[in-house]
Amino acid sequence: EIVLTQSPGTLPLSPGDRATLSCRASQRVRSSYLAWFQQRPGRAPKLLIYEASSRAGGIPDRFSGSGSGTDFTLTISRLEPEDFAVYYCHQYGSSPRTFGQGTKVEIK
Amino acid sequence: QVQLVQSGADVKKPGASAKVSCKASGYTFTGYYINWVRQAPGQGLEWMGWVNSNTGVTNYAQKFQDRVTMTRDTSITTAYLEVSSLRSDDTAVYYCAREQISPYYSSYAMDVWGQGTTVTVSS
Repeated sequence: EIVLTQSPGTLPLSPGDRATLSCRASQRVRSSYLAWFQQRPGRAPKLLIYEASSRAGGIPDRFSGSGSGTDFTLTISRLEPEDFAVYYCHQYGSSPRTFGQGTKVEIK
Repeated sequence: QVQLVQSGADVKKPGASAKVSCKASGYTFTGYYINWVRQAPGQGLEWMGWVNSNTGVTNYAQKFQDRVTMTRDTSITTAYLEVSSLRSDDTAVYYCAREQISPYYSSYAMDVWGQGTTVTVSS
């Protein structure tokens, strides 16, 4: 099983700041099948990034993903008020599928 | 539009079973897996498994192998998750999410999610 470790656990920032979230895998993620989801309180997760760096439909270009192998990053270039939420990385290249424990981006 | 609509909240006693439905619309149902993911209160996301909506083949996480059954009814484009022998730590929001089926050795991310179904296990 691939264990995904996200850091930091909490990221206090202000609107307009740049956010950098990390996801490290315990083994290589096949074909960079790594996704990022955003979850707001009381809502279902929303797909932001797939295949490590491809934006899902309708996702603003302030969200970008990078990385390969075992190290992946989600960057939010300028935080908007609606971006304060919990972010999960997720690998879907091997079974069982796994999620990171999440990074909460909160208002400083 | 593409959507997955889940059944309503449920309260069960320990030892009972719970069945959650996920109604798909707006796309070709048999072209996608339906994954099930759960989230305990205040916790992260946990993948439980998927059902191939075309063939009915399932793939369960080992942790849930003995207690979950995932099925689908193509005539009404609905997938189901049944969890048996419920315990208090099964209290969670259960989500369904679709994933495109690939005939090759490719994988796709879960791109559309249901709204979630809260299952509470309490005596």
